[in-house]
Amino acid sequence: EVHLLESGGGLLQPGESLRLSCAASGFTFENYAMSWVRQAPGKGLEWVSSISGGGGSRYYVDSVKGRFTISRDNSENTLFLEMNSLRAEDTAVYYCAKNAERQPMYYFDYWGQGTLVTVSS
Amino acid sequence: QSALTQPASVSGSPGQSITISCTGTSSDVGGYNYVSWYQQHPGKAPKLMIYDVSIRPSGVSTRFSGSKSGNSASLTISGLQAEDESDYYCSSYSRGSNLHVFGTGTRVIVL
Repeated sequence: EVHLLESGGGLLQPGESLRLSCAASGFTFENYAMSWVRQAPGKGLEWVSSISGGGGSRYYVDSVKGRFTISRDNSENTLFLEMNSLRAEDTAVYYCAKNAERQPMYYFDYWGQGTLVTVSS
Repeated sequence: QSALTQPASVSGSPGQSITISCTGTSSDVGGYNYVSWYQQHPGKAPKLMIYDVSIRPSGVSTRFSGSKSGNSASLTISGLQAEDESDYYCSSYSRGSNLHVFGTGTRVIVL
């Protein structure tokens, strides 16, 4: 059974940094792309970033380019999102999602329960 | 790059059929058969309901079906049940600057 468990969320001030983690189990981690999707309070889903199975290809939504970095440790079956220069508009529940194939253009077939990031002064 | 356009809400009585539309452009919905649909109950994680326009994952009720025409995709729920009351989001691969784009979301209300 596929299981994704996010951690690392919290309350931060604007300009601060945070690293989210997603521990994966139940599938061969390196064979699948992984993604982060966020949802601001009371709003819809927004794709944030994706990384290919081998980690060589990374993609970001325009609003986080240059501030967020996605990475993965295939030996530890863990996905990361390094978030710098945080803004109030980054406040959201961040979901870790498994892509259906090794390349990240495919749909999200499993999701974690999410971790809340709140950016406020 | 804008979100895909969905109606804010759709309602129906138990047993009826409803359809949710998802309108994009030739750079996303219209250009690829990579449209997927997700169901999200309040406070819960999204769940995959349809992928590649019309394919149902194992375990998803046959009452859910998907289609596409031009730059618009649709999710149809037939035999509406109380448990179908939820938020639904479409998503598509995009050749724009952002790899994936989600729809604005639709609240399905069972009367």
